[in-house]
Amino acid sequence: ETGVTQTPRHLVMGMTNKKSLKCEQHLGHNAMYWYKQSAKKPLELMFVYSLEERVENNSVPSRFSPECPNSSHLFLHLHTLQPEDSALYLCASSQGASGSSYNEQFFGPGTRLTVL
Amino acid sequence: GENVEQHPSTLSVQEGDSAVIKCTYSDSASNYFPWYKQELGKRPQLIIDIRSNVGEKKDQRIAVTLNKTAKHFSLHITETQPEDSAVYFCAASIETSYDKVIFGPGTSLSVIP
Repeated sequence: ETGVTQTPRHLVMGMTNKKSLKCEQHLGHNAMYWYKQSAKKPLELMFVYSLEERVENNSVPSRFSPECPNSSHLFLHLHTLQPEDSALYLCASSQGASGSSYNEQFFGPGTRLTVL
Repeated sequence: GENVEQHPSTLSVQEGDSAVIKCTYSDSASNYFPWYKQELGKRPQLIIDIRSNVGEKKDQRIAVTLNKTAKHFSLHITETQPEDSAVYFCAASIETSYDKVIFGPGTSLSVIP
């Protein structure tokens, strides 16, 4: 167990549904990330939060909305998704300490999302 | 921004042979280069990393080399075993207050018994 958990592990939703993915890290890290993993782009960075503040948003469509209520929890709210959004969504965390960023990223098991 | 390329995309080797995966990066400011291994159905996990002040690093059967001038780095696996079969991702990072890591597209390694 790497200390990063994600729920649910599998999700099937229609294009008009609203759902949320949850990530929790038990490692005391300061930075958390959302990645999208698909056949076309194996590890695509979506969002980065450092100390609960969003520091990176890689031109992700607004139908994906992240939320980081505290340093241990990260959510990805999904709204009116498209079939091409079907992918594995990975959460990760790292120490993210300022002054020394040579830190390992710890990944969660991922949520396999299917949009019908 | 940073761009990381990785070759080959697929690699098949006989058990016991060596495997080499090569990556290039674009941003000369990058100073940390981790390698992640992702087995089928599992999460990526760090297997080795190298910092910009080091040219080579070895950990048992795995070694990484870095050429900062040419902006390329490589992963070498010797005496490959079936359990080495996985997708390997190289990555490049620039020191910031958070660890933004840009990943390469991955190499699918198959070790044939």
